[in-house]
Amino acid sequence: DVKVTQSSRYLVKRTGEKVFLECVQDMDHENMFWYRQDPGLGLRLIYFSYDVKMKEKGDIPEGYSVSREKKERFSLILESASTNQTSMYLCASSWDRSYSNQPQHFGDGTRLSIL
Amino acid sequence: QKEVEQDPGPLSVPEGAIVSLNCTYSNSAFQYFMWYRQYSRKGPELLMYTYSSGNKEDGRFTAQVDKSSKYISLFIRDSQPSDSATYLCAIVRQGAQKLVFGQGTRLTINP
Repeated sequence: DVKVTQSSRYLVKRTGEKVFLECVQDMDHENMFWYRQDPGLGLRLIYFSYDVKMKEKGDIPEGYSVSREKKERFSLILESASTNQTSMYLCASSWDRSYSNQPQHFGDGTRLSIL
Repeated sequence: QKEVEQDPGPLSVPEGAIVSLNCTYSNSAFQYFMWYRQYSRKGPELLMYTYSSGNKEDGRFTAQVDKSSKYISLFIRDSQPSDSATYLCAIVRQGAQKLVFGQGTRLTINP
């Protein structure tokens, strides 16, 4: 079974802090994704990555950056946290991009609160 | 217009009932269809994945795709309280990696 592990289930940070959310997958997947999930808005894609050191903006990248130094690890960075970034953050991974349309496998999420 | 529409519910049915969950989409370029189940405080879990029109069955679950109507359904037979969760449909274009998700339908099965 695919295992996507997010380092924290719950996190509380203060406005203006730099916040790191970590995600690790154990299936040698090429693609990794970061989403946020909010009531009434569903899942929204923040950033994704097709390969090491490669990143692409999703639908709502403002206020976020990402890092992918190793294939199995994808980090989401909130450069200066704000209260409107309080949300559930979900990481996902999927197989090689040449095998297009592969389903994504999700971690259990990090519930982040910015005070 | 949203690319995929899904009634958020909530939907509440008695145990043993047949449940029908539905999504509509706007663009015929979408060719691949998935259903995810999400329990409270957990991440979405892949339930069904299909790309052709017609039915795909897995145990008590049946995914149905009607590309001509741009309509997808998930049926749950003999529903159980453990099926209580939010169900999300997801669609993707040929050759793309980005999924487009429905808003999710919150389902409760009452014992």
